[in-house]
Amino acid sequence: EIVLTQSPGTLSLSPGERATLSCRASQTVSSSYLAWYQQKPGQAPRLFIYDASRRATGIPDRFSGSGSGTDFTLTISRLEPEDFAVYYCQQYGSSPITFGQGTRLDIK
Amino acid sequence: DVQLLESGGGLVQPGGSLRLSCEVSGFTFSSYVMRWVRQAPGKGLEWVSGISGTGGTKKYADSVKGRFTISRDNSKNTLYLQMKSLRAEDTAVYYCVKDGQAAPIYIPNFMDVWGKGTTVAVSS
Repeated sequence: EIVLTQSPGTLSLSPGERATLSCRASQTVSSSYLAWYQQKPGQAPRLFIYDASRRATGIPDRFSGSGSGTDFTLTISRLEPEDFAVYYCQQYGSSPITFGQGTRLDIK
Repeated sequence: DVQLLESGGGLVQPGGSLRLSCEVSGFTFSSYVMRWVRQAPGKGLEWVSGISGTGGTKKYADSVKGRFTISRDNSKNTLYLQMKSLRAEDTAVYYCVKDGQAAPIYIPNFMDVWGKGTTVAVSS
């Protein structure tokens, strides 16, 4: 199975700053089938990005995804207070689907 | 609106059983692979099981294979997870999840709608 490693584990930034979150796969993710989810405390995860770079419905354009092969990135161009949460990547290029361990985005 | 509503969680002793249900609405249930994903306290997300739209293909994580059984009743728009021989490490919030794209067969996919989750606690 494909192992996804997210870095950093925790990212402390201030509102207005740019955030860059990384997701590295142990082998090539077929067709860039990679998704990103946001999870806030006590809530279910929410889909933000799929197919590596497509924003899900209702996701603001300050969120962007990029990458291919084994290296993927989620970028938040200017952090808003509501963006501070945990972000997970997930690959669906091969079975079983797998998740990264998450990156916690904290307010500095 | 697409909605997924889980139920059936609770406190159970090690070795016990529990059956989770997920009632869905707002989409053509039989057209989508459905999955269960769990999250242990303070931990990340773990895929548990998935089932094709017809129910003919079922997949399980190694950690639950032989103990958990996924099923669906398309006439009732309901997904199930029968859990047996429960262990302390099965303690988690269990989410019912809908795939992001309709598919005639079981394929890996992203997930666009998640239920609020139901909590399973395995403890003596």
